[in-house]
Amino acid sequence: QLQLQESGSGLVKPSQTLSLTCAVSGGSISSGGYSWNWIRQSPGKGLEWIGYIYHSGSSYYNPSLKSRVTISVDRSKNHFSLKLTSVAAADTAVYYCARGVEYYQALDVWGQGTTVTVSS
Amino acid sequence: EIVLTQSPGTLSLSPGERATLSCRASQSVSSNYLAWYQQKPGQAPRLLIYGASSRATGIPDRFSGSGSGTDFTLTISRLEPEDFAVYYCQHYGTSSLFTFGPGTKVDIK
Repeated sequence: QLQLQESGSGLVKPSQTLSLTCAVSGGSISSGGYSWNWIRQSPGKGLEWIGYIYHSGSSYYNPSLKSRVTISVDRSKNHFSLKLTSVAAADTAVYYCARGVEYYQALDVWGQGTTVTVSS
Repeated sequence: EIVLTQSPGTLSLSPGERATLSCRASQSVSSNYLAWYQQKPGQAPRLLIYGASSRATGIPDRFSGSGSGTDFTLTISRLEPEDFAVYYCQHYGTSSLFTFGPGTKVDIK
């Protein structure tokens, strides 16, 4: 059974870079037919898709965040990562990683989420 | 860019009642790529419906999805206590992007 687990810095200073990793267990990130996604949820708000990457390394980002986001994949470690630069208070959120199924383009397995606070 | 609108914002119902949630797209979208999620407080979202009408693994048959074009519906035939939650629709469309609706909260009347 596939499981995802987010990890990374829970507190980031304004203007710095947020870095998170999503460890994939119970399956291979190199399996075809899936995308590896990041989604966030600001306190009391809805879901905001950040971007995804395929095991090949091709990536797609939310246009509203594209200039600040990089998603990368490490097949040897079976994990993928998120970097968000120049963070501000508005980037405070719970960050989720999730697997996307290409066939029907929905997110079928989610991590539990990790809270990131941007504050000096 | 496609915008998803969900209505109502909040739906107040009693256990055993039928819930009907709406998701409207700003332009016609492929039903193949329309999904619904359930999120409870403090938990990650859970996939309920994909392809507008197919239930995900383990989802009870009281949940059903329908619709096409710009109008999609999630129906919960008889609300169970564990169904009170927030529900989001999601679409995957042009430029290979995911979009979520703002959500509908189903709470206990």
